[in-house]
Amino acid sequence: DVKVTQSSRYLVKRTGEKVFLECVQDMDHENMFWYRQDPGLGLRLIYFSYDVKMKEKGDIPEGYSVSREKKERFSLILESASTNQTSMYLCAITTGDDYSNQPQHFGDGTRLSIL
Amino acid sequence: QKEVEQNSGPLSVPEGAIASLNCTYSDRGSQSFFWYRQYSGKSPELIMFIYSNGDKEDGRFTAQLNKASQYVSLLIRDSQPSDSATYLCAVMTGNQFYFGTGTSLTVIP
Repeated sequence: DVKVTQSSRYLVKRTGEKVFLECVQDMDHENMFWYRQDPGLGLRLIYFSYDVKMKEKGDIPEGYSVSREKKERFSLILESASTNQTSMYLCAITTGDDYSNQPQHFGDGTRLSIL
Repeated sequence: QKEVEQNSGPLSVPEGAIASLNCTYSDRGSQSFFWYRQYSGKSPELIMFIYSNGDKEDGRFTAQLNKASQYVSLLIRDSQPSDSATYLCAVMTGNQFYFGTGTSLTVIP
C-alpha cells in the first residue's frame, strides 16, 4: 500500500508566522505534489517536484515555497502566513516512473488555520 | 472554461439504487481519467481509473469513458449509505492533473 504521511492533521498559526508543512512517503517515489482545497474551488496545485532538489510551480505558488532535500520528504513553506492561506493542504504522490498515467495518492491532509 | 466540470449536486438516491455521477472535460488530448471519493473532513481516496473508451467495472463501481463526447461517468450500483461522500473527477492531460470540484452524493436509507 502507498503510504503518504503529513506531519499534522490540524495546525493553528498566527499571521506573519513562517509555517512548515511536511509530507513524507515511505517508498522511492519521485513525484510529489502539494495542493490546497477550498470549498467551491476544488483542489488547486501549489507546487510539485519530480525529484530531489527539483521543483515546479503549480497554479497558485504565490506566498509559498517548497523544499525537497531528500527523496522521501517534500515540505511546503508559507513564508509569511496570511488569513487567506487558511485551508486544507493535501500532499500527493504518484507511483511509477512515468507519472503521466498514474493516479495520485493523497496523505490525510493538514487543516491549517491562520489567525 | 474549466478543464474539468462536474455537477456539484447534491445528488440524492435511495439505498439500493444506482447512482450516476458525470464529468466533462475540455481537452481532447486528455489521456487518463480518475474517480476519487472524499468523505467529509478526509482526503481523496482513489476508487477507479480508466484510460480507454468504454466501460470498466470494479465491484459495485463502473467507470464509463466516451472520448468523442469528452465525458466520463461513474455508476455506483446497489448504493449504500456508506457511499455518501463527495466524488471528484480527475483528468490527466499531458503531465498535468486537473480535478473537478466534486459532486456530493447522499444515499438515503
